[in-house]
Amino acid sequence: DAKTTQPPSMDCAEGRAANLPCNHSTISGNEYVYWYRQIHSQGPQYIIHGLKNNETNEMASLIITEDRKSSTLILPHATLRDTAVYYCIAVPINAGGTSYGKLTFGQGTILTVHP
Amino acid sequence: NAGVTQTPKFQVLKTGQSMTLQCAQDMNHNSMYWYRQDPGMGLRLIYYSASEGTTDKGEVPNGYNVSRLNKREFSLRLESAAPSQTSVYFCASSRQGTGQPQHFGDGTRLSIL
Repeated sequence: DAKTTQPPSMDCAEGRAANLPCNHSTISGNEYVYWYRQIHSQGPQYIIHGLKNNETNEMASLIITEDRKSSTLILPHATLRDTAVYYCIAVPINAGGTSYGKLTFGQGTILTVHP
Repeated sequence: NAGVTQTPKFQVLKTGQSMTLQCAQDMNHNSMYWYRQDPGMGLRLIYYSASEGTTDKGEVPNGYNVSRLNKREFSLRLESAAPSQTSVYFCASSRQGTGQPQHFGDGTRLSIL
């Protein structure tokens, strides 16, 4: 599984966009990039995932570079409730195209949103 | 819609005692997982069950056993608890298939004295 590297912490002002980077330079062609977050020791919450195209949902946008070696999670209008640890994870898909979805969590990025 | 339900939420054990952590999901998911999270660390996979009737070891399986009781339920057993197993335990479930995200329970906080 590809190793991901994230900054240990970031700050963001409320209402501004939060851009969280992730480096996954050893990612292989059969690995998705997933983002989860964990608020206040609750169970992790799925945010978004992608393979090579940029993705957007109601929570966030995911920008993956063309070479797939890095990605950025964008929270367009951060709120205080977005303060959490954000995890970027490379998830392998087996040869048959079915993901067992095993997640390997690193230390993540602690995002603090300030008023 | 309850999602993933874990019981109990908190437990204190003495070294050597045994205990089973329960997990149930109501989303008709095929795959289920058990993780542990130690203070200041990310989650680590203990065991997983890709589908009913199958279980496999994850990253840190020593000291644990699991049972996939049926499609809904996946339990984690500590046969002889040790202080090193003090942790927060999370259960998760997902559909099988490409790109399916995992849904997590709220965790069981386990202290072993």
